[in-house]
Amino acid sequence: KAGVTQTPRYLIKTRGQQVTLSCSPISGHRSVSWYQQTPGQGLQFLFEYFSETQRNKGNFPGRFSGRQFSNSRSEMNVSTLELGDSALYLCASSGSGGPSYEQYFGPGTRLTVT
Amino acid sequence: AQKVTQAQTEISVVEKEDVTLDCVYETRDTTYYLFWYKQPPSGELVFLIRRNSFDEQNEISGRYSWNFQKSTSSFNFTITASQVVDSAVYFCALSERGTSYGKLTFGQGTILTVHP
Repeated sequence: KAGVTQTPRYLIKTRGQQVTLSCSPISGHRSVSWYQQTPGQGLQFLFEYFSETQRNKGNFPGRFSGRQFSNSRSEMNVSTLELGDSALYLCASSGSGGPSYEQYFGPGTRLTVT
Repeated sequence: AQKVTQAQTEISVVEKEDVTLDCVYETRDTTYYLFWYKQPPSGELVFLIRRNSFDEQNEISGRYSWNFQKSTSSFNFTITASQVVDSAVYFCALSERGTSYGKLTFGQGTILTVHP
């Protein structure tokens, strides 16, 4: 079974721009979660989608948004980029997204904001 | 609110040494789940183990073992006879039944370096 895939793997953007990251979950998984990883803050939960609905959200500003499509693929968007948004963005999928289920992570998208 | 603390930021050992990674958690929920993940240099987090709050049995998988103690809110991870390939960042994580659709709360991670 193919794992979680994320595109692009690397991205360089300028402050003020917006960016869209894509995540394809493991086949059959309906829950997709997004995390931001930085050296200072570690791994932080952004949001989770299941059946095209956002079920859970972390403490991030409204500039961070996401969506999920009917095939469970998910995108996250960051508008008006700031230098502090430079991070590794990880996507994870699980069957149902319930708290007892392990999540399977993709390789991440490394975003650099200059 | 839930919290996970990994007190060891970095550990350095020589191959074949045993090493224990500590994890302490805080939660108000009575039903919760604990996880360990490994992050090699490639960046992808690899799932290692899941434990639920009602199962305090220790677990062994090859050279890996986990010790879960509710009394001390700890879920420690031991690698026996470490190998260079074990070098990675290891994360302990928590999810709660009440609040956690798709949300894992991670510790800060422990960087393990195994020298040949």
